Amino acid sequence: KQEVTQIPAALSVPEGENLVLNCSFTDSAIYNLQWFRQDPGKGLTSLLLIQSSQREQTSGRLNASLDKSSGRSTLYIAASQPGDSATYLCAVSGNEKLTFGTGTRLTIIP
Amino acid sequence: KAGVTQTPRYLIKTRGQQVTLSCSPISGHRSVSWYQQTPGQGLQFLFEYFSETQRNKGNFPGRFSGRQFSNSRSEMNVSTLELGDSALYLCASSLGGTEASPLHFGNGTRLTVT
Repeated sequence: KQEVTQIPAALSVPEGENLVLNCSFTDSAIYNLQWFRQDPGKGLTSLLLIQSSQREQTSGRLNASLDKSSGRSTLYIAASQPGDSATYLCAVSGNEKLTFGTGTRLTIIP
Repeated sequence: KAGVTQTPRYLIKTRGQQVTLSCSPISGHRSVSWYQQTPGQGLQFLFEYFSETQRNKGNFPGRFSGRQFSNSRSEMNVSTLELGDSALYLCASSLGGTEASPLHFGNGTRLTVT
């Protein structure tokens, strides 16, 4: 059974800093990995999708990497802004459908 | 382009009742998947429909069911509601299945069972 872990559960950093969010999964037989952000009371917004054959994807200040062999993905956020405050979730798509991590609640301190 | 629309936004029901939630996907998207989000269990996959056929199902009891119509709109039904069914129910649509395309989520339906 696929298990997806995100550590830490919460993170606070000053505005302007670069930061890394982590995602670990137990079964490397995946189709893709996606990163989402969720604002309070809202649905999820897709940030990046990495196919299993890819190593990384970039969008603006965001860069996501995937290492299937070690079961890890990271989301790098450059020059953080208060608007980046949200809960970030990773989700792994595989034979057991889509499995979400528990999320990291990120707070950017102005 | 309109996003994923879920209705209603909020629902309050009592134990034993049934409820139907609706999801209208982004135009052209053929896959709709449903998720339950609770503080204790996080986000859990319920089921996925593609071109009116259920492709995958999560580990939920048979009280949870769904369907998809020819216009890709989807409904989810929960019968004999229990207190533990209180949650945010999210649907997502994608061009292909969940294994191939980015998911686009609606803002969810907040269900409270009393």
